[in-house]
Amino acid sequence: DAGVTQSPTHLIKTRGQHVTLRCSPISGHKSVSWYQQVLGQGPQFIFQYYEKEERGRGNFPDRFSARQFPNYSSELNVNALLLGDSALYLCASSLDLNYGYTFGSGTRLTVV
Amino acid sequence: GQQVMQIPQYQHVQEGEDFTTYCNSSTTLSNIQWYKQRPGGHPVFLIQLVKSGEVKKQKRLTFQFGEAKKNSSLHITATQTTDVGTYFCAGLSSNDYKLSFGAGTTVTVRA
Repeated sequence: DAGVTQSPTHLIKTRGQHVTLRCSPISGHKSVSWYQQVLGQGPQFIFQYYEKEERGRGNFPDRFSARQFPNYSSELNVNALLLGDSALYLCASSLDLNYGYTFGSGTRLTVV
Repeated sequence: GQQVMQIPQYQHVQEGEDFTTYCNSSTTLSNIQWYKQRPGGHPVFLIQLVKSGEVKKQKRLTFQFGEAKKNSSLHITATQTTDVGTYFCAGLSSNDYKLSFGAGTTVTVRA
C-alpha cells in the first residue's frame, strides 16, 4: 500500500507568487490535515478536512486555503507568498478523526 | 485555544542511560499521540493513549497518560543511537478533534 504522497517535494517561489501543494492520502483514510513546520519547531495546524468538508482551521491568514476532492486527495493553496511562508508543509491522513496520523514526506517551500 | 507544552527542548543522553520527556496540555484531551521525527524526515506515529492513567510499552519506550487526561510522558530506557531524533507529543482536542503538537524534545546520544 502506498503511504501519503505529496508533490512537489521541493519548490522555490518568489515573494508575491502563488503556490499549490498536493496530497494523496492512504486509501480508505477519510481525514486529511495540513501542517506547517518551521525548522526547530513542532508542526503547526493549518487545516483539517473530513469527508470532503472543512473541519478545522488553524491560526493562518486568509492567504491560505485548501480543499478536498471526491477521491479524498487534497490541495493547499497559498497566495501572495511572503518570505515567512518558507517551511516544510506536511500533509497527514488518518482513518477517522480520532486515529493517529500518517504523514507524507512533505513539500519544502522556499520563498525568495 | 489549546496549547501543548513539552519539556525539555533538548536532551543529551549517554548511550545506555534513561531519560523522560514530559508533555502538558492547557485543556483536557480526547487522546494523546506521540511521534518521532528523524533529522531531515517527517513525523512518524508511535502510539496513541486514550484512557485516563493509561500506560503502554513499546520495547524500551514507556508512554503514560495522566489521570486528568492533560499530561503525558515518554520514558526511554537504555538509550541507543537509534533513538536519536525529535519526539513530539500531540494532543487531540475533545471539542473539535484538532491535533496540536508540542515543540518537541530533540534527543542526541553520546556513544
